[in-house]
Amino acid sequence: EAGVAQSPRYKIIEKRQSVAFWCNPISGHATLYWYQQILGQGPKLLIQFQNNGVVDDSQLPKDRFSAERLKGVDSTLKIQPAKLEDSAVYLCASSLGVNTYTQYFGPGTRLTVL
Amino acid sequence: DQQVKQNSPSLSVQEGRISILNCDYTNSMFDYFLWYKKYPAEGPTFLISISSIKDKNEDGRFTVFLNKSAKHLSLHIVPSQPGDSAVYFCAARGNNNDMRFGAGTRLTVKP
Repeated sequence: EAGVAQSPRYKIIEKRQSVAFWCNPISGHATLYWYQQILGQGPKLLIQFQNNGVVDDSQLPKDRFSAERLKGVDSTLKIQPAKLEDSAVYLCASSLGVNTYTQYFGPGTRLTVL
Repeated sequence: DQQVKQNSPSLSVQEGRISILNCDYTNSMFDYFLWYKKYPAEGPTFLISISSIKDKNEDGRFTVFLNKSAKHLSLHIVPSQPGDSAVYFCAARGNNNDMRFGAGTRLTVKP
């Protein structure tokens, strides 16, 4: 069974630029999560999708961050414009459903904002 | 808000001995607790979980203990192996199925 795929693995941009991350969850997984992990901290949930609908985006900085999950499969997370404090690893995870507590994580995208 | 805390950033143990990783939480509404293991340049991988209605769950060398009155859980690894060297995250599931993670503990198992 293929795991959660993410791309790119690394990205370096300058502040005020835009960046987008892509995630392909495990086949058949209805729930998709985006996390931000700042160095030295645990992952923090940014947004949770159930199929193509948003379940929770309470911690998503909506003035600069956006995410979509068209057709309920792949997802894209965008930052526009980026700030220095956005430097982090962005993790995508998926689970079978919203009531399933085991989440499967992708390898993450390490973003550096200069 | 740090609802899940791992107060030890690192732990070093000798191969064959027991590793004990600790985690404290503040929200009594959490219903599931999980431990994830993370190697460098990889995403976290699920290790073991425990429901809030239980006090112990065992899976091979890994045992998780939950003390609800103290709002504390721990992960025991016996015997520890060099391949167990990784960062371990404690996580707790809240009302909306949102997962709260601790900051992680880096375990080093010395041969």
